[in-house]
Amino acid sequence: GAVVSQHPSRVICKSGTSVKIECRSLDFQATTMFWYRQFPKQSLMLMATSNEGSKATYEQGVEKDKFLINHASLTLSTLTVTSAHPEDSSFYICSARGRGFNQPQHFGDGTRLSIL
Amino acid sequence: QQQVKQSPQSLIVQKGGISIINCAYENTAFDYFPWYQQFPGKGPALLIAIRPDVSEKKEGRFTISFNKSAKQFSLHIMDSQPGDSATYFCAALLWGAGSYQLTFGKGTKLSVIP
Repeated sequence: GAVVSQHPSRVICKSGTSVKIECRSLDFQATTMFWYRQFPKQSLMLMATSNEGSKATYEQGVEKDKFLINHASLTLSTLTVTSAHPEDSSFYICSARGRGFNQPQHFGDGTRLSIL
Repeated sequence: QQQVKQSPQSLIVQKGGISIINCAYENTAFDYFPWYQQFPGKGPALLIAIRPDVSEKKEGRFTISFNKSAKQFSLHIMDSQPGDSATYFCAALLWGAGSYQLTFGKGTKLSVIP
C-alpha cells in the first residue's frame, strides 16, 4: 500500500532554533500534501495544504512566516518551524494524496517536536 | 463550528465484546466517510470508509453503519481485542469544484481489557 515517510520521528532542540521536518511519498506521486498539528488527546488540526509547485494554503490562525512549507517535488514536502519556542512543541503529522478523485489521504507517522 | 461530532470520548470494552463509536455530521454535502485508527506516537491509518449511498460496509471485524437521513454513522468492532486499543477518528470528506476538505471528529480512545 501507499507509504508516507516522515523524518525525523522525534526532535528536541533549544528555543530559537529552526527545525525542518521532511515528508516523502515513497511509492506514489503526491500532488497534494497536508500538514497537521496534534496536541495530546486531541484531534488533528490542519495547518496547511500544498500542491506541488504552488504556494501552500494556510488555515486561519496559522502563521505563514512561522511555519514554512515547501512542496518542491511530487514526492517531497518540508515543514520548517522557524525560531521555535516551547509553545511550538507538538506532534506534527504530514499527509499526502495522489491525483484523482478516488485517491485517499495517507498519513506519515508524525514528528514529536519538543522545544526546551 | 464542529462539523463532525464524535462520541464517546473514551470507551472501555472487555475482550471479545463489541465496541461502538458514533459520529454525527451536519453538512449534507459530505460525500465520503472514513475511519482512522491511531496508535500512540504514530500517524492515523485508514481503517475503513463508506460512501453515503451505502448503508453498511463490513471488513473483517470492522463494520460501518450509515444512516443518511439521520446524518449519523458508526463504527462497530466485533470481538474486540487488546490489540484494537487505540484512538479512533471518524472523518467526513467534502470534495468538489476544485475543493477538498477532510474534517475529523475529536477522537475516541478505546481500551480493550483482557
